[in-house]
Amino acid sequence: NAGVTQTPKFRVLKTGQSMTLLCAQDMNHEYMYWYRQDPGMGLRLIHYSVGEGTTAKGEVPDGYNVSRLKKQNFLLGLESAAPSQTSVYFCASRPGTSGNEQFFGPGTRLTVL
Amino acid sequence: GQNIDQPTEMTATEGAIVQINCTYQTSGFNGLFWYQQHAGEAPTFLSYNVLDGLEEKGRFSSFLSRSKGYSYLLLKELQMKDSASYLCADTHRAGSYQLTFGKGTKLSVIP
Repeated sequence: NAGVTQTPKFRVLKTGQSMTLLCAQDMNHEYMYWYRQDPGMGLRLIHYSVGEGTTAKGEVPDGYNVSRLKKQNFLLGLESAAPSQTSVYFCASRPGTSGNEQFFGPGTRLTVL
Repeated sequence: GQNIDQPTEMTATEGAIVQINCTYQTSGFNGLFWYQQHAGEAPTFLSYNVLDGLEEKGRFSSFLSRSKGYSYLLLKELQMKDSASYLCADTHRAGSYQLTFGKGTKLSVIP
């Protein structure tokens, strides 16, 4: 099993550009999450999904959109990137009621100029 | 949101024992996680406590007191590779069991 994978690993954008970050998991997990991690701020939840076709807002959802069209994939979109969105983005997944541990992907380092 | 408090940085000597504390809000509390994160890497799961008491896993142990809103991670026989950030995170029933993370404790192990 590959676990949780994220594409791309690194990206540099200019202000106003758009992009999509892809998260994929091969563990048949129900729940998937997108976090951002900034120095001194810890991990903060952007959006999450409790199953295919569902999404919900987390702590810091503004400026981001998500989609979960397939159970194994969770996409994070930035429609118009801003320098404040420079961060490391982590995706995570966990089983439904059978487990609590979240499994994290390797992260995407995004810089917005 | 819920407040998670843990020290920002700690330093300890190789071979020693270190305790990293974490406090959280008790209202609606469900469980408490500890994750380890090496610089530039993803967080990895260490422990999950839902009942009061100490749980031991090799050199690492985690303690929970639900009534006090308090947990600690105990690392014994410290090794240089234990230098990392340690993240405390809690789940609350009202939050669909989402994790709320503290800002992390950066542990430096010195010779």
